[in-house]
Amino acid sequence: DQQVKQNSPSLSVQEGRISILNCDYTNSMFDYFLWYKKYPAEGPTFLISISSIKDKNEDGRFTVFLNKSAKHLSLHIVPSQPGDSAVYFCAATGYNAGNMLTFGGGTRLMVKP
Amino acid sequence: GAGVSQSPSNKVTEKGKDVELRCDPISGHTALYWYRQSLGQGLEFLIYFQGNSAPDKSGLPSDRFSAERTGGSVSTLTIQRTQQEDSAVYLCASSPRLSGVTDTQYFGPGTRLTVL
Repeated sequence: DQQVKQNSPSLSVQEGRISILNCDYTNSMFDYFLWYKKYPAEGPTFLISISSIKDKNEDGRFTVFLNKSAKHLSLHIVPSQPGDSAVYFCAATGYNAGNMLTFGGGTRLMVKP
Repeated sequence: GAGVSQSPSNKVTEKGKDVELRCDPISGHTALYWYRQSLGQGLEFLIYFQGNSAPDKSGLPSDRFSAERTGGSVSTLTIQRTQQEDSAVYLCASSPRLSGVTDTQYFGPGTRLTVL
Protein backbone atom coordinates (compact mmCIF):
# COMPACT_ATOMS: atom_id res chain seq x y z
CA ASP A 1 0.00 0.00 0.00
CA GLN A 2 1.67 3.19 -1.21
CA GLN A 3 1.28 5.88 1.42
CA VAL A 4 2.78 8.58 -0.79
CA LYS A 5 1.94 8.71 -4.48
CA GLN A 6 3.13 10.77 -7.38
CA ASN A 7 0.76 9.85 -10.15
CA SER A 8 2.65 11.52 -12.98
CA PRO A 9 5.86 9.67 -13.81
CA SER A 10 6.97 12.46 -16.13
CA LEU A 11 6.24 16.08 -16.99
CA SER A 12 7.49 18.20 -19.87
CA VAL A 13 7.41 22.01 -19.64
CA GLN A 14 8.68 24.87 -21.77
CA GLU A 15 11.38 27.07 -20.30
CA GLY A 16 9.91 30.09 -18.54
CA ARG A 17 6.57 28.42 -17.87
CA ILE A 18 5.27 27.04 -14.59
CA SER A 19 5.98 23.44 -13.57
CA ILE A 20 3.45 21.86 -11.21
CA LEU A 21 4.32 18.56 -9.59
CA ASN A 22 1.69 16.78 -7.54
CA CYS A 23 1.75 14.38 -4.63
CA ASP A 24 -0.96 12.60 -2.63
CA TYR A 25 -0.66 10.85 0.71
CA THR A 26 -2.87 8.61 2.80
CA ASN A 27 -1.32 8.52 6.29
CA SER A 28 -2.90 11.18 8.52
CA MET A 29 0.06 10.85 10.94
CA PHE A 30 2.33 12.62 8.46
CA ASP A 31 3.00 16.18 9.61
CA TYR A 32 6.03 17.23 7.60
CA PHE A 33 6.45 17.10 3.86
CA LEU A 34 9.51 17.58 1.72
CA TRP A 35 10.49 17.79 -1.92
CA TYR A 36 13.81 16.45 -3.11
CA LYS A 37 15.44 16.82 -6.49
CA LYS A 38 17.60 14.02 -7.84
CA TYR A 39 20.06 13.95 -10.70
CA PRO A 40 21.36 10.64 -12.05
CA ALA A 41 24.17 9.11 -9.98
CA GLU A 42 23.66 11.60 -7.16
CA GLY A 43 21.80 11.49 -3.86
CA PRO A 44 18.54 13.41 -3.46
CA THR A 45 19.03 17.12 -2.81
CA PHE A 46 16.63 18.82 -0.41
CA LEU A 47 14.56 21.53 -2.09
CA ILE A 48 11.79 22.75 0.15
CA SER A 49 9.60 21.53 2.98
CA ILE A 50 6.34 22.37 4.67
CA SER A 51 4.93 21.64 8.09
CA SER A 52 1.31 20.58 8.43
CA ILE A 53 0.54 23.76 10.35
CA LYS A 54 1.05 25.74 7.14
CA ASP A 55 -0.59 25.62 3.74
CA LYS A 56 2.13 27.35 1.74
CA ASN A 57 5.87 27.77 1.85
CA GLU A 58 7.87 29.74 -0.68
CA ASP A 59 11.57 29.82 -1.44
CA GLY A 60 12.60 31.74 -4.52
CA ARG A 61 11.20 30.06 -7.61
CA PHE A 62 9.86 27.14 -5.56
CA THR A 63 6.55 27.11 -3.72
CA VAL A 64 4.98 24.14 -1.97
CA PHE A 65 1.25 24.07 -1.27
CA LEU A 66 -0.37 21.73 1.23
CA ASN A 67 -4.05 20.83 1.29
CA LYS A 68 -4.48 18.76 4.43
CA SER A 69 -8.15 18.00 3.95
CA ALA A 70 -7.41 16.54 0.52
CA LYS A 71 -4.11 15.01 1.65
CA HIS A 72 -2.48 16.63 -1.34
CA LEU A 73 0.60 18.71 -1.88
CA SER A 74 2.11 20.31 -4.92
CA LEU A 75 5.39 21.91 -5.91
CA HIS A 76 5.32 24.91 -8.21
CA ILE A 77 8.43 26.04 -10.04
CA VAL A 78 8.17 29.46 -11.65
CA PRO A 79 9.79 30.22 -14.01
CA SER A 80 11.06 26.80 -15.02
CA GLN A 81 14.65 26.57 -16.23
CA PRO A 82 16.43 23.81 -18.18
CA GLY A 83 18.62 23.19 -15.11
CA ASP A 84 15.49 22.17 -13.23
CA SER A 85 15.31 19.01 -15.33
CA ALA A 86 15.63 16.14 -12.86
CA VAL A 87 13.53 13.60 -10.96
CA TYR A 88 11.51 15.17 -8.16
CA PHE A 89 10.53 13.10 -5.13
CA CYS A 90 7.83 14.00 -2.68
CA ALA A 91 8.44 12.66 0.85
CA ALA A 92 6.48 12.64 4.07
CA THR A 93 7.29 11.98 7.67
CA GLY A 94 6.00 12.68 11.13
CA TYR A 95 7.08 12.59 14.72
CA ASN A 96 4.40 9.98 15.33
CA ALA A 97 4.89 8.25 11.98
CA GLY A 98 8.20 6.60 12.66
CA ASN A 99 10.55 9.47 11.75
CA MET A 100 11.69 7.87 8.51
CA LEU A 101 10.81 9.42 5.16
CA THR A 102 8.20 7.74 3.01
CA PHE A 103 8.80 8.63 -0.61
CA GLY A 104 6.62 8.86 -3.66
CA GLY A 105 7.77 7.18 -6.83
CA GLY A 106 9.13 10.36 -8.35
CA THR A 107 8.25 12.58 -11.31
CA ARG A 108 10.77 13.20 -14.06
CA LEU A 109 10.64 16.87 -15.06
CA MET A 110 11.99 17.92 -18.43
CA VAL A 111 12.26 21.63 -19.09
CA LYS A 112 12.72 22.35 -22.77
CA PRO A 113 14.68 25.42 -23.88
CA GLY B 1 32.94 19.27 2.48
CA ALA B 2 30.35 19.44 5.22
CA GLY B 3 27.81 17.10 3.65
CA VAL B 4 27.03 13.43 4.16
CA SER B 5 29.70 11.22 2.63
CA GLN B 6 29.46 7.57 1.65
CA SER B 7 31.99 5.00 0.58
CA PRO B 8 32.59 3.26 -1.68
CA SER B 9 30.73 5.07 -4.44
CA ASN B 10 30.48 1.83 -6.40
CA LYS B 11 30.75 -1.77 -5.31
CA VAL B 12 30.60 -4.86 -7.49
CA THR B 13 30.47 -8.19 -5.71
CA GLU B 14 29.71 -11.81 -6.38
CA LYS B 15 26.56 -13.47 -5.14
CA GLY B 16 27.09 -14.95 -1.69
CA LYS B 17 29.80 -12.51 -0.59
CA ASP B 18 29.42 -10.05 2.29
CA VAL B 19 29.67 -6.28 1.74
CA GLU B 20 30.07 -3.29 4.02
CA LEU B 21 28.90 0.18 3.12
CA ARG B 22 29.99 3.22 5.09
CA CYS B 23 28.30 6.52 5.91
CA ASP B 24 29.77 9.64 7.52
CA PRO B 25 26.90 11.93 8.56
CA ILE B 26 27.02 15.70 8.85
CA SER B 27 28.90 16.67 11.99
CA GLY B 28 26.55 17.26 14.90
CA HIS B 29 23.61 15.43 13.35
CA THR B 30 22.18 12.96 15.85
CA ALA B 31 19.90 11.04 13.48
CA LEU B 32 21.14 8.77 10.70
CA TYR B 33 19.05 6.89 8.16
CA TRP B 34 19.70 4.27 5.50
CA TYR B 35 17.53 3.97 2.39
CA ARG B 36 17.88 2.12 -0.87
CA GLN B 37 16.64 2.66 -4.39
CA SER B 38 16.37 -0.42 -6.55
CA LEU B 39 16.26 -0.11 -10.33
CA GLY B 40 12.99 1.45 -11.40
CA GLN B 41 11.79 1.71 -7.81
CA GLY B 42 11.29 4.53 -5.35
CA LEU B 43 13.38 5.12 -2.25
CA GLU B 44 12.79 2.56 0.47
CA PHE B 45 13.57 3.07 4.17
CA LEU B 46 15.89 0.52 5.78
CA ILE B 47 17.01 1.59 9.27
CA TYR B 48 17.16 4.65 11.52
CA PHE B 49 19.52 5.58 14.35
CA GLN B 50 18.76 8.33 16.85
CA GLY B 51 21.40 9.17 19.44
CA ASN B 52 21.93 6.31 21.85
CA SER B 53 18.47 4.83 21.38
CA ALA B 54 17.91 1.38 19.95
CA PRO B 55 17.73 1.66 16.15
CA ASP B 56 14.48 1.35 14.23
CA LYS B 57 15.14 -1.69 12.03
CA SER B 58 11.61 -2.00 10.70
CA GLY B 59 12.65 -1.45 7.09
CA LEU B 60 15.38 -4.08 6.84
CA PRO B 61 14.25 -6.60 4.19
CA SER B 62 15.89 -9.68 5.74
CA ASP B 63 18.18 -10.81 8.53
CA ARG B 64 21.07 -10.69 6.07
CA PHE B 65 21.00 -6.92 6.53
CA SER B 66 22.42 -5.25 9.62
CA ALA B 67 23.78 -1.86 10.53
CA GLU B 68 25.65 -0.28 13.36
CA ARG B 69 26.60 3.21 14.33
CA THR B 70 29.75 3.62 16.37
CA GLY B 71 30.25 6.55 18.69
CA GLY B 72 27.07 8.19 17.49
CA SER B 73 28.71 9.16 14.21
CA VAL B 74 29.88 6.83 11.43
CA SER B 75 27.55 4.04 10.37
CA THR B 76 28.19 0.78 8.53
CA LEU B 77 25.52 -1.16 6.66
CA THR B 78 26.43 -4.82 6.23
CA ILE B 79 24.80 -7.20 3.80
CA GLN B 80 25.69 -10.84 4.28
CA ARG B 81 25.51 -13.51 1.60
CA THR B 82 24.49 -10.96 -1.04
CA GLN B 83 21.81 -11.85 -3.57
CA GLN B 84 21.19 -10.32 -6.98
CA GLU B 85 18.04 -8.62 -5.71
CA ASP B 86 20.24 -6.65 -3.28
CA SER B 87 21.58 -4.68 -6.26
CA ALA B 88 20.54 -1.08 -5.66
CA VAL B 89 21.79 2.36 -4.73
CA TYR B 90 22.14 2.56 -0.97
CA LEU B 91 21.62 6.06 0.37
CA CYS B 92 22.48 7.45 3.78
CA ALA B 93 20.92 10.57 5.26
CA SER B 94 21.36 12.51 8.47
CA SER B 95 19.39 15.16 10.30
CA PRO B 96 19.86 17.28 13.41
CA ARG B 97 16.79 15.57 14.92
CA LEU B 98 16.05 18.23 17.45
CA SER B 99 13.90 16.86 20.22
CA GLY B 100 10.21 16.96 19.43
CA VAL B 101 10.74 18.40 15.98
CA THR B 102 10.40 16.71 12.62
CA ASP B 103 13.29 17.96 10.57
CA THR B 104 14.96 17.76 7.18
CA GLN B 105 17.13 14.82 6.17
CA TYR B 106 20.20 15.48 4.05
CA PHE B 107 21.42 12.74 1.76
CA GLY B 108 24.82 11.47 0.74
CA PRO B 109 25.67 10.59 -2.88
CA GLY B 110 24.92 6.90 -2.37
CA THR B 111 26.74 3.63 -2.97
CA ARG B 112 25.78 1.72 -6.10
CA LEU B 113 25.90 -1.98 -5.28
CA THR B 114 25.91 -4.54 -8.07
CA VAL B 115 25.66 -8.21 -7.20
CA LEU B 116 26.70 -10.47 -10.06
